[in-house]
Amino acid sequence: GEDVEQSLFLSVREGDSSVINCTYTDSSSTYLYWYKQEPGAGLQLLTYIFSNMDMKQDQRLTVLLNKKDKHLSLRIADTQTGDSAIYFCAEIEGAGSYQLTFGKGTKLSVIP
Amino acid sequence: NAGVTQTPKFRVLKTGQSMTLLCAQDMNHEYMYWYRQDPGMGLRLIHYSVGEGTTAKGEVPDGYNVSRLKKQNFLLGLESAAPSQTSVYFCASGNRRDYNEQFFGPGTRLTVL
Repeated sequence: GEDVEQSLFLSVREGDSSVINCTYTDSSSTYLYWYKQEPGAGLQLLTYIFSNMDMKQDQRLTVLLNKKDKHLSLRIADTQTGDSAIYFCAEIEGAGSYQLTFGKGTKLSVIP
Repeated sequence: NAGVTQTPKFRVLKTGQSMTLLCAQDMNHEYMYWYRQDPGMGLRLIHYSVGEGTTAKGEVPDGYNVSRLKKQNFLLGLESAAPSQTSVYFCASGNRRDYNEQFFGPGTRLTVL
């Protein structure tokens, strides 16, 4: 079945850039997403990218999509302590699906 | 708008007890979902609903039942709780338009002893 893989931990210093990587298997994915989960809270959509795009930029966030390698990345510029959270990569399982498939999440720790 | 709300926030059950988790949304969303989150496992879909009166199984449906009698509510039931069901449960809702964004509730932390 479809699978979404991401590394479990990332640690960066405040002010540096963070890059969180994700690989997926479903070549028919229409949208790919990055969700953020702060401690003790539910998930919030951070950003998304449509499958016919290569890049999307939104303030400090840059999403890169390499469809050939099925690789998605999220870059956070000038990382702040408030960015400490778990980041989930997710995809829609095919064009007609209602279901998201999530990765296991990457815990980002920002060192002051 | 309250968004997606979940009741209760915390619960401790004994093995074999039953309970119902309630999810409510005020965004008129068609789709609603129940997930469980376990350490190192990410989110796994338990059941979902694409409209009032309809439900479908997700990835890990065993031991759970759901009902969607009203569009705004989605109930998750545990008939006979087991320690393996100790988890954090999240409800979400969404529509097919607007890039399929799912809006999540704050979660229910359930412990089964």
